Amino acid sequence: DQQVKQNSPSLSVQEGRISILNCDYTNSMFDYFLWYKKYPAEGPTFLISISSIKDKNEDGRFTVFLNKSAKHLSLHIVPSQPGDSAVYFCAASAYNQGGKLIFGQGTELSVKP
Amino acid sequence: KAGVTQTPRYLIKTRGQQVTLSCSPISGHRSVSWYQQTPGQGLQFLFEYFSETQRNKGNFPGRFSGRQFSNSRSEMNVSTLELGDSALYLCASSFDSTSYGYTFGSGTRLTVV
Repeated sequence: DQQVKQNSPSLSVQEGRISILNCDYTNSMFDYFLWYKKYPAEGPTFLISISSIKDKNEDGRFTVFLNKSAKHLSLHIVPSQPGDSAVYFCAASAYNQGGKLIFGQGTELSVKP
Repeated sequence: KAGVTQTPRYLIKTRGQQVTLSCSPISGHRSVSWYQQTPGQGLQFLFEYFSETQRNKGNFPGRFSGRQFSNSRSEMNVSTLELGDSALYLCASSFDSTSYGYTFGSGTRLTVV
């Protein structure tokens, strides 16, 4: 039962353009969502998060949007840079489940110069 | 400050053997979670420890176990290794048991032959 889904295994974007990574979830109990970036042979690095009481959160070039009615979130990277090339995971947690993050399968982003 | 340290980085074991992986959290962090990453299943939650108590457990067989010591360091053990246990095992730590504070280590790459 895949509670968090990232349906696009890969995405290729031109440098300077917008990258949009999508994530869908099925569990209505999820109340906190996170995006992580991961390079091979390294652990995931936290990027940005959003609480279910919000619909948008920005941090520099990164913005996460949450649509609770559609159970959908997206990560926008503007402008995209070659250094952004990595695998991006969305993750979700439910109230009182603290350290139990449910991850999507990941989307590999390639930003071409 | 030092990050999350996992040892060893790489490990090769034979089917049927058992293995112990170690995780030293960031100083002051009391919560430690473990995840398994495989190409087919993505990142899957194994268990979470907080102040030496297991608070959450994922859907893994009893061959997977863990513990946390009074200094918050954690170990996970896998007994009777199977080929399918080959994976990157990631540890993450946080000051408390909230989702947004977790920092991941670089992982231990376990190969079962």
